[in-house]
Amino acid sequence: DSGVTQTPKHLITATGQRVTLRCSPRSGDLSVYWYQQSLDQGLQFLIQYYNGEERAKGNILERFSAQQFPDLHSELNLSSLELGDSALYFCASSPSAAGGYTFGSGTRLTVV
Amino acid sequence: GDSVTQMEGPVTLSEEAFLTINCTYTATGYPSLFWYVQYPGEGLQLLLKATKADDKGSNKGFEATYRKETTSFHLEKGSVQVSDSAVYFCALTNFGNEKLTFGTGTRLTIIP
Repeated sequence: DSGVTQTPKHLITATGQRVTLRCSPRSGDLSVYWYQQSLDQGLQFLIQYYNGEERAKGNILERFSAQQFPDLHSELNLSSLELGDSALYFCASSPSAAGGYTFGSGTRLTVV
Repeated sequence: GDSVTQMEGPVTLSEEAFLTINCTYTATGYPSLFWYVQYPGEGLQLLLKATKADDKGSNKGFEATYRKETTSFHLEKGSVQVSDSAVYFCALTNFGNEKLTFGTGTRLTIIP
């Protein structure tokens, strides 16, 4: 157990639907990062939150949004889903970037 | 912007062979460098890291040395085992840019 908890582990949904992925960071870590891993795009940074505030944005589609709550857990919302959104979505947390991240085990999203 | 280039895979070796996976980077300043490993069906685990030039990161028999003159961070292991079969990712973070920038990953398969 890495200390970063992601739920659900697997999600199957239809095109056009909306889903929410949840991440609880390791205790004490203020930063949460979301990454998408797909076969053709590799690991792509989506967004970072630090202590409730958006800190950095990467290749995140407008259909996707995220937030970090006062208890530091984070949610990634994916809407108007397309087949191409099928991927592994990872959450990671860190106390500081120089120390490296701790990753969760990911949520596998399948859009049918 | 920052980028990481790593050796294309897949790489297949016999047990007890010597392993090198090449990684070079492009970044301004003094990035921190990482190797992450992803075992089948799992999330990414930090394997080792180095935060300044000439630092050597090591873990589980793997080593990598931060070479600023060649902008490289090659991963090595003297004698690989079947259990080392996984995908290996080279990555960096940089001052003012806390997100991890990943290479494309190298799939390693060790045959008995």
